[in-house]
Amino acid sequence: SQQGEEDPQALSIQEGENATMNCSYKTSINNLQWYRQNSGRGLVHLILIRSNEREKHSGRLRVTLDTSKKSSSLLITASRAADTASYFCATEKGGYQKVTFGTGTKLQVIP
Amino acid sequence: NAGVTQTPKFQVLKTGQSMTLQCAQDMNHEYMSWYRQDPGMGLRLIHYSVGAGITDQGEVPNGYNVSRSTTEDFPLRLLSAAPSQTSVYFCASSSDRSYGYTFGSGTRLTVV
Repeated sequence: SQQGEEDPQALSIQEGENATMNCSYKTSINNLQWYRQNSGRGLVHLILIRSNEREKHSGRLRVTLDTSKKSSSLLITASRAADTASYFCATEKGGYQKVTFGTGTKLQVIP
Repeated sequence: NAGVTQTPKFQVLKTGQSMTLQCAQDMNHEYMSWYRQDPGMGLRLIHYSVGAGITDQGEVPNGYNVSRSTTEDFPLRLLSAAPSQTSVYFCASSSDRSYGYTFGSGTRLTVV
């Protein structure tokens, strides 16, 4: 079974609104990563947060990590139509870059 | 700087045929992985490597072989293709655990 699960599975918002996606995982991790995938393309790495970090920012992205609840959230502020994509969380545990992915959240930003 | 290059982009196989999906990176990354992506399943890890000569199994390794004879190349071999292996395959590489993966553009494989 897969390590991570994203919630919601799909999200539709208006341009300018904030989008929040959540990820829950099952076992202890070394780090958690978020990726974006545009339709039919490869994945693009967005941000990595280590297990000893609680929050990280990158441009309009804000990621939080709660290891006690085994969960993470990705916030995209002031969304744009170009943010329309699927977003995946991925976790690395046990070292050696063995990274497993969740099932993804499909985000639609309506202009 | 080409990044991660996967070939071919599309492939149709008959059941029972074998083939190798190629993956090459020019960034001198130690870590490389193969994933398959199926609708509604996200990405599932097939095999991964932490350096030349070292590979290990992921979540769904059955029916696939890998080897890593050089840092640059990480081919994925399908031994005897089955319709259940119809999927999009992604190769990815990373320099170390502080950074995420760089992905290739994928190979869309159909087994008939």
